[in-house]
Amino acid sequence: SQQGEEDPQALSIQEGENATMNCSYKTSINNLQWYRQNSGRGLVHLILIRSNEREKHSGRLRVTLDTSKKSSSLLITASRAADTASYFCATDPISSGSARQLTFGSGTQLTVLP
Amino acid sequence: NAGVTQTPKFQVLKTGQSMTLQCAQDMNHEYMSWYRQDPGMGLRLIHYSVGAGITDQGEVPNGYNVSRSTTEDFPLRLLSAAPSQTSVYFCASSYSRQGDFPLHFGNGTRLTVT
Repeated sequence: SQQGEEDPQALSIQEGENATMNCSYKTSINNLQWYRQNSGRGLVHLILIRSNEREKHSGRLRVTLDTSKKSSSLLITASRAADTASYFCATDPISSGSARQLTFGSGTQLTVLP
Repeated sequence: NAGVTQTPKFQVLKTGQSMTLQCAQDMNHEYMSWYRQDPGMGLRLIHYSVGAGITDQGEVPNGYNVSRSTTEDFPLRLLSAAPSQTSVYFCASSYSRQGDFPLHFGNGTRLTVT
């Protein structure tokens, strides 16, 4: 079952604009992570935000987490053509037990037009 | 430092055939896992391991076997391939079984079962 669901499914913007992707999840979590996947490649970890954090920055990335609404957003500022990729949120649910069972959403396909 | 290496990159099987997807990591990671990625469904966890000699089932384990005889290797065996197993398979590893460390992914094996 999918814990995280990204919105929108696809997003197309011009280079230099900001891109915002959202993730909603269903159960309580320890943390939420965002990953990027370039076409034909594996996923690459971008950022992790813990359940007691509300906002985190890494370079041009800004992630927010609202545990009361069970949602997160990923903002990419001043986008570049190289940011074109699929972006996935992954949740680490509190019910994982003795080992992690990260659950991934179906992703947002971002296209940045030059 | 190669990270997570998956072989082969592509494979075509006939229904009923068996095969092993190889995964190796050189980061001395405790945790290793296998996911399958299907269009519109994100990544789903097949099996995972928290150390040599220890494996457990994920969300979609049926039709797959795993073993972890060494820290470095975590092969995935398809016992009798079915068309429903056509997918892209990703191996991922992490420093710890706990969910607050990022997953490192291989570049995937694209499997087609005819």
